[in-house]
Amino acid sequence: KAGVTQTPRYLIKTRGQQVTLSCSPISGHRSVSWYQQTPGQGLQFLFEYFSETQRNKGNFPGRFSGRQFSNSRSEMNVSTLELGDSALYLCASSLGFGGSTDTQYFGPGTRLTVL
Amino acid sequence: AQSVTQLDSHVSVSEGTPVLLRCNYSSSYSPSLFWYVQHPNKGLQLLLKYTSAATLVKGINGFEAEFKKSETSFHLTKPSAHMSDAAEYFCVVSPKLSGAGSYQLTFGKGTKLSVIP
Repeated sequence: KAGVTQTPRYLIKTRGQQVTLSCSPISGHRSVSWYQQTPGQGLQFLFEYFSETQRNKGNFPGRFSGRQFSNSRSEMNVSTLELGDSALYLCASSLGFGGSTDTQYFGPGTRLTVL
Repeated sequence: AQSVTQLDSHVSVSEGTPVLLRCNYSSSYSPSLFWYVQHPNKGLQLLLKYTSAATLVKGINGFEAEFKKSETSFHLTKPSAHMSDAAEYFCVVSPKLSGAGSYQLTFGKGTKLSVIP
């Protein structure tokens, strides 16, 4: 089975621009979660989508948004980029039904640099 | 509410010696606990997970972890370190919800493991 894929792997943007990142989950997985990783804050939860609905959201400003399509692929968008948005953005997929058998599997991440 | 504390930000061991990475957790729910590993410029790989079936959990690459409820700990161990184990390790907690409940992972700050030849 193919793993979680994220595109693009690297992005360079300037302040004020917007960016869209894409995540394709493992086949059969219906939940996609997004995390931001920075040296200072570590790994922080952004949001989770399940069956095209946002089911949970972390403590990030409204500039961070996402969506999920009917095939479970997900995109996240960051508008009006700030220098502090430079980070590794990781997406994880899981079956989405919770319980002891459900596990989140991570993609390789998208490295976003804001200049 | 849930939180994770990784007691060491950096651990250095010699190749062939045991590895111990320490983790304490706090959770209002009966938790699921995980250890993930991240090699440089890579995503996160699941090493092992605890979901209450057994307190001693065996993972990939010879790693194991023991869940101790009385100590709220979930330390990661390996009998003999290999050069390829050099990476950053994250202890993670999530509530063990059943059904279609959403759950989010809460990560520790990470422990960077160095292996000296």
